[in-house]
Amino acid sequence: SQTIHQWPATLVQPVGSPLSLECTVEGTSNPNLYWYRQAAGRGLQLLFYSVGIGQISSEVPQNLSASRPQDRQFILSSKKLLLSDSGFYLCAWTPPWGGGQPQHFGDGTRLSIL
Amino acid sequence: GESVGLHLPTLSVQEGDNSIINCAYSNSASDYFIWYKQESGKGPQFIIDIRSNMDKRQGQRVTVLLNKTVKHLSLQIAATQPGDSAVYFCAENNNFGNEKLTFGTGTRLTIIP
Repeated sequence: SQTIHQWPATLVQPVGSPLSLECTVEGTSNPNLYWYRQAAGRGLQLLFYSVGIGQISSEVPQNLSASRPQDRQFILSSKKLLLSDSGFYLCAWTPPWGGGQPQHFGDGTRLSIL
Repeated sequence: GESVGLHLPTLSVQEGDNSIINCAYSNSASDYFIWYKQESGKGPQFIIDIRSNMDKRQGQRVTVLLNKTVKHLSLQIAATQPGDSAVYFCAENNNFGNEKLTFGTGTRLTIIP
């Protein structure tokens, strides 16, 4: 069966520090991968998605970047964190064959910027 | 722009009663709809989905209804239990190529013992 892992579960970082959040999927090949941010009590905002290695689409202008160095690895990064980067970051995947598939989510990383 | 919205941000239901969570969508081209359940501190969990060629789909204790005429989606939960307390999101997909979803803001369901 397929599983998705995100780490760390929680992270406290000072303003101006770098960031690296990692997401990996097991049990599937060539998944579509997604990064979301969720503000407290709000819905999910899509930040990036990827349909293959090295292919990244950005949805909103922001202080963050994403990379996909391996088929089942998706990384969210920042060179210098802002206070506004605080939030709950979620990674998700779908099978590559399309046609309407649910996204499956990891348990997220809660990021607090001080 | 296109959006998926919810009629009620909070809903309280007595344990054992049925609950109905509603969702309005604005993109008439959307072909696929999903309901998710999110418990505190966790990622959204898939509950049930429905395609635009259907108007009803049933799962275990849950039913999703789709009314394309008025662009309305609902989730019915039968015989609610304390474990049903969570935030519920609807989501729509109008791009089967990259499977991008547009999410609503969510409804917080509280089950009263």
